[in-house]
Amino acid sequence: GPKVLQIPSHQIIDMGQMVTLNCDPVSNHLYFYWYKQILGQQMEFLVNFYNGKVMEKSKLFKDQFSVERPDGSYFTLKIQPTALEDSAVYFCASSLGLGSYEQYFGPGTRLTVL
Amino acid sequence: GEQVEQLPSSLIVQEGASVLINCSYTDSASVYFPWYKQEPGKRLQFIIDIRSNMERKQNQRLTLLFDKKTKHLSLHITATQPGDSAIYFCSASPQGGRALIFGTGTTVSVSP
Repeated sequence: GPKVLQIPSHQIIDMGQMVTLNCDPVSNHLYFYWYKQILGQQMEFLVNFYNGKVMEKSKLFKDQFSVERPDGSYFTLKIQPTALEDSAVYFCASSLGLGSYEQYFGPGTRLTVL
Repeated sequence: GEQVEQLPSSLIVQEGASVLINCSYTDSASVYFPWYKQEPGKRLQFIIDIRSNMERKQNQRLTLLFDKKTKHLSLHITATQPGDSAIYFCSASPQGGRALIFGTGTTVSVSP
């Protein structure tokens, strides 16, 4: 089936630095999402994005977070500056829309903030 | 906001037996309920969904039941195989394209 790719698979970074997580969604999909999963806890919604704009965001989507998808390239999640509590696995997802809303998930990026 | 709970948190079954996973939600505005499976080391995989205007949906060995009055769903897996061993997640959304609120997950282990 269609595959969402995420780069990198693992990122280790010092607290206070900036990090960008990259997502290559399914090529004709129109809706994009980021979710966060801390080890042993449930998956939690961060943000979704459609037509170049954030549609909704959760309280986990702090001011230090931003998303963009310039000109159909990667859908990115930027955290600047990072904090210790940002350590988690971040999952990207995309859906086609147009009546088909099944979300396809990437393999995740494990972010470790030291 | 929406809260999604799953029971049991884990279960072990003999190959060939059936499995029942229960899911409940709190927000009556939720209308779309996809389920996902996550095998060890692999990405979430969509397995079945249901909308609030339906009571039942079947996909091969999977049957999903939905009760709008009690805000309850149940996933029934028949004739289990070792490949069914995974964590199963229920989720809820107010409409397509919106955030999915995930349940706590149910770890299913199928022993040969």
